[in-house]
Amino acid sequence: QLQLQESGPGLVKPSETLSLTCTVSGDSISGSSYYWGWIRQPPGKGLEWIGSIYYRGSTYYNPSVKSRVTISVDTSWNQFSLRLSSVTAADTAVYYCARGDLWSGYYFWGQGTLVTVSS
Amino acid sequence: QSALTQPRSVSGSPGQSVTISCTGTSSDVGGYNYVSWYQEHPGKAPKLMIYDVNKRPSGVPDRFSGSKSGNTASLTISGLQADDEADYYCCSYAVTYTLLFGGGTKLTVL
Repeated sequence: QLQLQESGPGLVKPSETLSLTCTVSGDSISGSSYYWGWIRQPPGKGLEWIGSIYYRGSTYYNPSVKSRVTISVDTSWNQFSLRLSSVTAADTAVYYCARGDLWSGYYFWGQGTLVTVSS
Repeated sequence: QSALTQPRSVSGSPGQSVTISCTGTSSDVGGYNYVSWYQEHPGKAPKLMIYDVNKRPSGVPDRFSGSKSGNTASLTISGLQADDEADYYCCSYAVTYTLLFGGGTKLTVL
C-alpha cells in the first residue's frame, strides 16, 4: 500500500531555508514511471503547485518560486526532498508531497505538514 | 500566470446536481486537455476526482464528471450526498511547464 510521509522542521526563521523530505513506502521511486511533486496550501487559502521531479532527475518548477526552490530525489532512501530558500511569512503553509502523472493529476498524497515561517 | 477562476461557493440539496466552473485562458484550460479536479475535506489531503478533463481515477463514483468548453472546465456532481460537502479545486497545465490551481469552491449540501 502506497504511503507518503512528509518530515522536517515545523518552524523556520525568515530568510532561512525550508527543507522537507517525503519518504515513500509501498512503491520504488526509481522503479516508478510517475512524477513526485510538492504542493502547498497557506492557512485558509488555496493550493499551489511548487514543483515535480522524475527519478532520473528531470524537474519542473512553478515560476513563482523557481529562483528559490530545489527538488531532489534520493533513490537509495526512496525519498525526495524540497528546499526553499529565503523564506518569508508568505511561505507559511501546509506542504504536501504527492505522486502522479506530471500534468494529468496527483493520485496519492501525504498527510501534509505545517511549516510556519516566523522569528 | 494568474490562478484559474472558480466560484467561491455553490450549494445544492441531496439528490440534486451541481456544477462547478473553472475559467482560464487559451494558455491553460483552453489549450490543453490537462484539467484535473480535487476534493478536499477539512483537515484532509486533497483527493483526485477527475484527470485529463473527464477521466475518473479508480474508486471515484460516476456521479462525478468533468467536461470542458473553450477556456472553461466544469465539474458536475450528480445525486448529491452529504459527504460531497467539501472544497473543490480545479487544476490545469499552463504554458510553459507549470500547473495552475483555481482558488477553490466550497460546496455546501443543504
